[in-house]
Amino acid sequence: ETGVTQTPRHLVMGMTNKKSLKCEQHLGHNAMYWYKQSAKKPLELMFVYSLEERVENNSVPSRFSPECPNSSHLFLHLHTLQPEDSALYLCASSQKGASGKNEQFFGPGTRLTVL
Amino acid sequence: GEDVEQSLFLSVREGDSSVINCTYTDSSSTYLYWYKQEPGAGLQLLTYIFSNMDMKQDQRLTVLLNKKDKHLSLRIADTQTGDSAIYFCAESPNYGGSQGNLIFGKGTKLSVKP
Repeated sequence: ETGVTQTPRHLVMGMTNKKSLKCEQHLGHNAMYWYKQSAKKPLELMFVYSLEERVENNSVPSRFSPECPNSSHLFLHLHTLQPEDSALYLCASSQKGASGKNEQFFGPGTRLTVL
Repeated sequence: GEDVEQSLFLSVREGDSSVINCTYTDSSSTYLYWYKQEPGAGLQLLTYIFSNMDMKQDQRLTVLLNKKDKHLSLRIADTQTGDSAIYFCAESPNYGGSQGNLIFGKGTKLSVKP
């Protein structure tokens, strides 16, 4: 138990569906992240919310839309996905500070399958 | 460029030592990290090393850092079947577009045979 929870753990959706992934951290951290983990590829950082600022990877398609209503909650809204979006989506949180240390704590992930 | 390289597979016998190697590219990284991922789970932070250190030991884990060669290694002593997992090396650049974020390698899958 890392203090980062994700729901649902598994999700199967059609290409026309709209769904959302949820992440919650109970660690008092000030930064939250979405990562995509596909087979045989490095972990891909999708979005960062840090001190109320959002940073995004420009290669992430617009069919992925993040939302961070407060420092403890993070959502990833999904719509009109493609089969190649099937992957494990991992949420993480960290306490970013001036020291440069960025220990990230990960949730268990949501296994997404797009049919 | 930012790239973290690891070999993809390592197989050892139970009781032997495992050594997982990693090379990174960004010399500005102040901290370097090792994560472990078991099947069906997220990444678990195992240990980290500050860039002005050469070595850090934590129970069965030893991290060695060669900053000149940008080479990081993780040694697991007395490897057990429960150590079977994928191990990720990560750097945290202090400059550029990825400042403050983690750059991960592709992971090394460690298989421990009884």
